[in-house]
Amino acid sequence: AQSVAQPEDQVNVAEGNPLTVKCTYSVSGNPYLFWYVQYPNRGLQFLLKYITGDNLVKGSYGFEAEFNKSQTSFHLKKPSALVSDSALYFCAVRDLSGSARQLTFGSGTQLTVLP
Amino acid sequence: DAGVIQSPRHEVTEMGQEVTLRCKPISGHDYLFWYRQTMMRGLELLIYFNNNVPIDDSGMPEDRFSAKMPNASFSTLKIQPSEPRDSAVYFCASSWVPGTLLMNTEAFFGQGTRLTVV
Repeated sequence: AQSVAQPEDQVNVAEGNPLTVKCTYSVSGNPYLFWYVQYPNRGLQFLLKYITGDNLVKGSYGFEAEFNKSQTSFHLKKPSALVSDSALYFCAVRDLSGSARQLTFGSGTQLTVLP
Repeated sequence: DAGVIQSPRHEVTEMGQEVTLRCKPISGHDYLFWYRQTMMRGLELLIYFNNNVPIDDSGMPEDRFSAKMPNASFSTLKIQPSEPRDSAVYFCASSWVPGTLLMNTEAFFGQGTRLTVV
């Protein structure tokens, strides 16, 4: 079975500071990993994904994520946070070796960027 | 493209009533997913379709829930009878998958339907 953990329900950072939103995963084979963002009263928007290749993946709005196989992590990062980055962030995984077709989502992390 | 379109945006109904949620996927997408989002359980996949055919409905919580996709541009999720514990935000999402590459394809989400059953 595949699973995703987002250990922090809430992350607060000051505008201009770097931000990190943590994600760890558990799969039986190789993972496909995704980050989505949800703004208030909106659906989820795709940010970036890791499929294969470079461990550092760059996505929309200046976000990037680093795949670490030994630590089974896929943390989302941004060098300089903006107030407009405040939203709910979801990490998701698919297991390559299984028959599951659906994305398994983490519980979400509320990011608040303080001006 | 206007993206995935869901209707209604908000629905308030009384317990025991039938509720129908609607979704129009992005044109050309061949996968459609229904998710439910609650504070307690987060995002849960209810069912998904490929080329209008239901592939996995193991996430459908009870027989009160049913979903159909009569054509490539329309899907419904029906709850009959509705109960207060069904209150949640229901999302529809779609994907286009070249070949069999579903595994590495992201899904595009609608804005959701906020259902309140009183």
